[in-house]
Amino acid sequence: GQQLNQSPQSMFIQEGEDVSMNCTSSSIFNTWLWYKQDPGEGPVLLIALYKAGELTSNGRLTAQFGITRKDSFLNISASIPSDVGIYFCAGRSGNTPLVFGKGTRLSVIA
Amino acid sequence: KAGVTQTPRYLIKTRGQQVTLSCSPISGHRSVSWYQQTPGQGLQFLFEYFSETQRNKGNFPGRFSGRQFSNSRSEMNVSTLELGDSALYLCASSLGAGAEETQYFGPGTRLLVL
Repeated sequence: GQQLNQSPQSMFIQEGEDVSMNCTSSSIFNTWLWYKQDPGEGPVLLIALYKAGELTSNGRLTAQFGITRKDSFLNISASIPSDVGIYFCAGRSGNTPLVFGKGTRLSVIA
Repeated sequence: KAGVTQTPRYLIKTRGQQVTLSCSPISGHRSVSWYQQTPGQGLQFLFEYFSETQRNKGNFPGRFSGRQFSNSRSEMNVSTLELGDSALYLCASSLGAGAEETQYFGPGTRLLVL
């Protein structure tokens, strides 16, 4: 099935650093979602975006809905060890199913 | 408010058997979607149900089927299991079925086929 291009695939960063990851699609989406998944658990919703250009924050996390509606970005500021996990972007348009990126695996070195 | 619950959490089956997985959505949510997650393919959409009707179906063989009950609880069934069906099966619920509806995931059922 269709998937989003999510990058980077993995990141190793020092505690306290900022992190950026992004997703691009060949299709226009009406909704962008960002999830985090810990080992053995289901994805947990971090941020939901519904309008092109929208910039939304959730604590140290900030995500943006790209103006072209074909991309989205997630930034994490001042990373901490509990930020470790896999981050997924997901997009949806109309009545089509939610489409997921392959994930960015984040490792934080204390 | 309780989250999405899935049972069982872990399951071991052998090739050729069939399996039924259960999902209880968040109270008040009427839409349930199922996904298969594997290391190689990532999260792949299986089905979406709203008010007991299948709204969307992913590109999976007919061995994969599902249904939704009047209380919004959902089940998925996989018949004639194959080794490649080993995966984490995730259920997600949302209030409705529109594009702006946010999906909330359960913890998943990890299926191992031997």
